[in-house]
Amino acid sequence: EAQVTQNPRYLITVTGKKLTVTCSQNMNHEYMSWYRQDPGLGLRQIYYSMNVEVTDKGDVPEGYKVSRKEKRNFPLILESPSPNQTSLYFCASSSKRNEQFFGPGTRLTVL
Amino acid sequence: QKEVEQNSGPLSVPEGAIASLNCTYSDRGSQSFFWYRQYSGKSPELIMFIYSNGDKEDGRFTAQLNKASQYVSLLIRDSQPSDSATYLCALLAGNMLTFGGGTRLMVKP
Repeated sequence: EAQVTQNPRYLITVTGKKLTVTCSQNMNHEYMSWYRQDPGLGLRQIYYSMNVEVTDKGDVPEGYKVSRKEKRNFPLILESPSPNQTSLYFCASSSKRNEQFFGPGTRLTVL
Repeated sequence: QKEVEQNSGPLSVPEGAIASLNCTYSDRGSQSFFWYRQYSGKSPELIMFIYSNGDKEDGRFTAQLNKASQYVSLLIRDSQPSDSATYLCALLAGNMLTFGGGTRLMVKP
């Protein structure tokens, strides 16, 4: 089954404790991206990747890192999480930029 | 800053009616436009995309694009309660996809 998976689905952590949210797709897509979704602000792009070893900032990259060492994986790293990063995070992938497939989401709470 | 504006709603329509969802944008360089549907607690799923001025129909859904006026709309004919969701407009300019805040649609039986 073609899909985008994210782990964990739910995470509660404390300020400053490094964490990684994994994203994996099995569709051989070149393009992958991360979004955060907040009430009243909609979906905002954090980072995107056009292919392996090619990443670029989206609208809200501050406080986040990404890497794209393999085509299927695009982890999101929070080196020192803060409460303002409490949000719902989505990973997405596509072969062409006209149809992005979204993962199920990761709900992160930073205390 | 690319901006995409949507009325947050809720837009309430009776079952069987036409629901009209609208979106305006500020970036004239936008190339492609998308409508996503998001059920509460779920991830967005693509309904339609449109590149050219005019209408594009797919089943009960019609997307309309007017680049001169900078708006894109989605019409849902014969609305069903299962269409109740938040509809997100998005535009692609360069390599970045920018979303609007979404319009919540409620279809009442």
